[in-house]
Amino acid sequence: QSVLTQPPSASGTPGQRVTISCSGSSSNIGSNTVNWYQQFPGTAPKLLIYSNNQRPSGVPDRFSGSKSGTSASLAISGLQSEDEADYYCATWDDSLNGSVFGGGTKLTVL
Amino acid sequence: QVQLQESGPGLVKPSQTLSLTCTVSGASISSGSYYWSWIRQPAGKGLEWIGRISTSGSTNYNPSLKSRLTISVDTSKNQFSLKLSSVTAADTAVYFCVRAAYTYYYGMDVWGQGTAVTVSS
Repeated sequence: QSVLTQPPSASGTPGQRVTISCSGSSSNIGSNTVNWYQQFPGTAPKLLIYSNNQRPSGVPDRFSGSKSGTSASLAISGLQSEDEADYYCATWDDSLNGSVFGGGTKLTVL
Repeated sequence: QVQLQESGPGLVKPSQTLSLTCTVSGASISSGSYYWSWIRQPAGKGLEWIGRISTSGSTNYNPSLKSRLTISVDTSKNQFSLKLSSVTAADTAVYFCVRAAYTYYYGMDVWGQGTAVTVSS
């Protein structure tokens, strides 16, 4: 059971906007910034969003992040077939004194 | 360009110690504001944070693994290592070594390719 809660799956058609939620608590999302990672099968994850809503260089602006209270969201606009991947949220947990991940969301582009 | 490469045995017997090393190239492991971390992923499952060591040598461990875990740095070889004792089948996973950078508010910006470890007799 992951400390952060994500829906196991999400889907959308090309061009659509999809959002993936990440729910936590006051000791993690409520008091720390959230990062998002994208992972394709058989490969290492890639940092997609850091500090709630910042994109590393090279990440398309179709990807955006937000945080409110103890929840965070990843939005993907103009969905493309190559966005089909697993997405993970992560943050620091002050109570555990360690990083925690969400269980991951498998995004399917229909 | 910073690169990380995991190395170590792919098969470990139950109750033994799993030892992995991550070689860092393209940067000095002892400089800058970074945490050098280990993440693992059982087949078909999600990511689990194992622990990290800072450039100053301070460590943070996953509480569920802390009693069995040691993460250390060898600055002379530009490597950091993971030792996990008393392993069981539940420790079977792909293990990634990762850099977390202050630039990205300690987001994990550089990942190794991962190494598969199986715990079996």
